[in-house]
Amino acid sequence: GGIITQTPKFLIGQEGQKLTLKCQQNFNHDTMYWYRQDSGKGLRLIYYSITENDLQKGDLSEGYDASREKKSSFSLTVTSAQKNEMAVFLCASSIRGHAEQFFGPGTRLTVL
Amino acid sequence: GEKVEQHESTLSVREGDSAVINCTYTDTASSYFPWYKQEAGKSLHFVIDIRSNVDRKQSQRLTVLLDKKAKRFSLHITATQPEDSAIYFCAASRNSNNRIFFGDGTQLVVKP
Repeated sequence: GGIITQTPKFLIGQEGQKLTLKCQQNFNHDTMYWYRQDSGKGLRLIYYSITENDLQKGDLSEGYDASREKKSSFSLTVTSAQKNEMAVFLCASSIRGHAEQFFGPGTRLTVL
Repeated sequence: GEKVEQHESTLSVREGDSAVINCTYTDTASSYFPWYKQEAGKSLHFVIDIRSNVDRKQSQRLTVLLDKKAKRFSLHITATQPEDSAIYFCAASRNSNNRIFFGDGTQLVVKP
């Protein structure tokens, strides 16, 4: 088996601050995803990366940057934190060409 | 793009009864429909999926039904147990290689 780790578990920032969330997986999966989960809502895709040097925008990419530094890691940057984007950010990974996604434990973002 | 709707935001059943969670989708090209479960305080994990070449799939106490004509699919849980209590997310995708679109989730409560 494998595991996805997300750091930090809790992230507190000031409005307008640039913040970075990190995700690591040891499944050796090709594809990685970043989702935002607002309270009581489903998941919205921010960015995904099909393979190591790939980056694709999702539905909610405005205000975010992403970086796939290597196969096992995928970072998400909130370019200017806003109070209306307080949510849980979930990282996931999957084998390319295979549907099942494996999710990390999440990073809860609070903006003061 | 695809829009997936879950009709019940909450569902309460008695232990041992059956539970049904219903979803609809808009994209006629969607052909892959996974379900994910999120237990309290935890991240999502995959539970079952169905592809458009069949209209029914069963795995132990879980059955997924797909009505392509109505663009509707549902998750049936028989003999519910307290550990079935969770938020269930339905999702849809054009195929298992593509990004998936999530519904907003249904909170299932199984009462003893």
